[in-house]
Amino acid sequence: GAGVSQSPSNKVTEKGKDVELRCDPISGHTALYWYRQSLGQGLEFLIYFQGNSAPDKSGLPSDRFSAERTGGSVSTLTIQRTQQEDSAVYLCASSPPDRGYGYTFGSGTRLTVV
Amino acid sequence: RKEVEQDPGPFNVPEGATVAFNCTYSNSASQSFFWYRQDCRKEPKLLMSVYSSGNEDGRFTAQLNRASQYISLLIRDSKLSDSATYLCVVNTNAGKSTFGDGTTLTVKP
Repeated sequence: GAGVSQSPSNKVTEKGKDVELRCDPISGHTALYWYRQSLGQGLEFLIYFQGNSAPDKSGLPSDRFSAERTGGSVSTLTIQRTQQEDSAVYLCASSPPDRGYGYTFGSGTRLTVV
Repeated sequence: RKEVEQDPGPFNVPEGATVAFNCTYSNSASQSFFWYRQDCRKEPKLLMSVYSSGNEDGRFTAQLNRASQYISLLIRDSKLSDSATYLCVVNTNAGKSTFGDGTTLTVKP
């Protein structure tokens, strides 16, 4: 596609439920990143994919968080047993093989846990 | 100490002013550097890459000082539309990217 597409754009869920966030990167972009941003805060790195493998999962805040990427394309970020502190905007970004070109971000999924 | 540090500001400047932001990084293995711009409640957008020799794009100039481990962004002739948060990004070859928390700029009439 023309840009990085994320869905849903907004998600309100009850505490304790599982949620799945989707990211469709720009075609041909081999690297894919997930970040989250709480209101008024900076970006917090979650996980990075190169192709389908995740060399760096160090940012995942707990074992309730997991992510996968299939076919070198779409990625899903799953949060199990959501907590109120999980409320944030989850941003996905992708970049071509030469990361010297920087990333393109999607418009994010705003997650609210009530 | 954070891996990437920025002065959070806010910087409040009049239209036409010149303003500069600095960003320091701690990982000497860092390889590539960028400035992003983020408008309120929007996603970050790439503003420019930062090269060792320094680079310019219109009113914007970016510089890298590897010895002192900082990057800078200079904005000349500020416009109202430059009001945003400016994020510096530092990448290592291992694939990790670290964002600064951003510097907020408000340009006033």
